[in-house]
Amino acid sequence: QVQLKESGPGLVQPSQTLSLTCTVSGFSLTSYGVSWVRQPPEEGLEWIGGIWSGGSTDYNSALKSRLSISRDTSKSQVLLKMNSLQTEDTAMYFCARADGYTFDYWGQGVMVTVSS
Amino acid sequence: NIVLTQSPATLSVTPGESVSLSCRASQSISTSIHWYQQKSNESPRLLIKYASQSISGIPSRFSGSGSGTDFTLSINRVESEDFSIYYCQQSYSSLYTFGAGTKLELK
Repeated sequence: QVQLKESGPGLVQPSQTLSLTCTVSGFSLTSYGVSWVRQPPEEGLEWIGGIWSGGSTDYNSALKSRLSISRDTSKSQVLLKMNSLQTEDTAMYFCARADGYTFDYWGQGVMVTVSS
Repeated sequence: NIVLTQSPATLSVTPGESVSLSCRASQSISTSIHWYQQKSNESPRLLIKYASQSISGIPSRFSGSGSGTDFTLSINRVESEDFSIYYCQQSYSSLYTFGAGTKLELK
């Protein structure tokens, strides 16, 4: 069955770089895209960016200068890197499968706290 | 950026009532709107895609309608498991955006 699982550090220091991995199973990254969505505590959802089945990427323009999303199809992994982290980047980070332009399967999320 | 405004922010109902949740877009987006349910401490779940298309495994009491700028998620006879937060999301623009959510709570 389709599964996505996020992994990465729970705590990042301000100004440092966040690296998260989304490991997928049950589908191919060359057939479906994967996006990252985050949710600050007690707040709503924010689309961060994604990588499409063909390998192209799209980013939230507000975050684009700090973002990189890539993939390793041999490992069925999508990688998120975000630099210059600040406290407002504290959030639950989800990866989600993109079926066309909807997110039909989601990972359980990983909580990232930015703090010294 | 396309802004999605959801109303009301909170809706208090009793089980068995039927409800309508609104999502309004800041510009016309055809039917490029999708609805998600998020229960406390869980990941979002896709309920409806492209304004009115049903999703396999989602109960038939959930339905969607609308086009252009005004969209509605309807729940026919709310059940206890439906108390959660509902988000709309647009895919008309390549900068995807979500609404702020409507919390459906027990009256």
